[in-house]
Amino acid sequence: DTAVSQTPKYLVTQMGNDKSIKCEQNLGHDTMYWYKQDSKKFLKIMFSYNNKELIINETVPNRFSPKSPDKAHLNLHINSLELGDSAVYFCASSHRGGGANTGELFFGEGSRLTVL
Amino acid sequence: AQSVTQLGSHVSVSEGALVLLRCNYSSSVPPYLFWYVQYPNQGLQLLLKYTSAATLVKGINGFEAEFKKSETSFHLTKPSAHMSDAAEYFCAVGTQGGSEKLVFGKGTKLTVNP
Repeated sequence: DTAVSQTPKYLVTQMGNDKSIKCEQNLGHDTMYWYKQDSKKFLKIMFSYNNKELIINETVPNRFSPKSPDKAHLNLHINSLELGDSAVYFCASSHRGGGANTGELFFGEGSRLTVL
Repeated sequence: AQSVTQLGSHVSVSEGALVLLRCNYSSSVPPYLFWYVQYPNQGLQLLLKYTSAATLVKGINGFEAEFKKSETSFHLTKPSAHMSDAAEYFCAVGTQGGSEKLVFGKGTKLTVNP
């Protein structure tokens, strides 16, 4: 069983379109994240949700809208796609509560978005 | 604010040689420190972590790292490189006490030559 799964793995679309990436984790974690990895492999946090509540929003354009229907799912919707949105988007999860938060993240395999 | 600097975006070693990947951090509070590995077309996987217990941390696949507060460093080492170690390695810093955010370095690509 895949611990953190993302779909789709590859996404190719035209500028101006709207697209979504879905993420699910079966680890029982209470916190989920979206990270963006650019073409130079730089990894930067975009959003974090804890028990469906947004706790981190890192100056991301409001074209990006995360949604967490429950603590096992965190989806990312992107409106009006731009060339600069091309990247690999990683979903991750961690366990926050119940003792010291060590911040260990469990990552999905990534969703490679290409905007033409 | 926290930050991580990884010295050397590319490191190349021969199979069987020592691997040394450098990481320096900046944090105004006691940090948690992590090394993650990313194999091609995969997500990141935790190698090891420092959470204020022992300063020498052992991880998977024979890797270890030493936390040196005086040098603000957390360098990753492995005594003998294997071909399967070829990957991208990321150092990351988090904050003790509840911060949810890890800040990653820019990564070091390790190449292992036969």
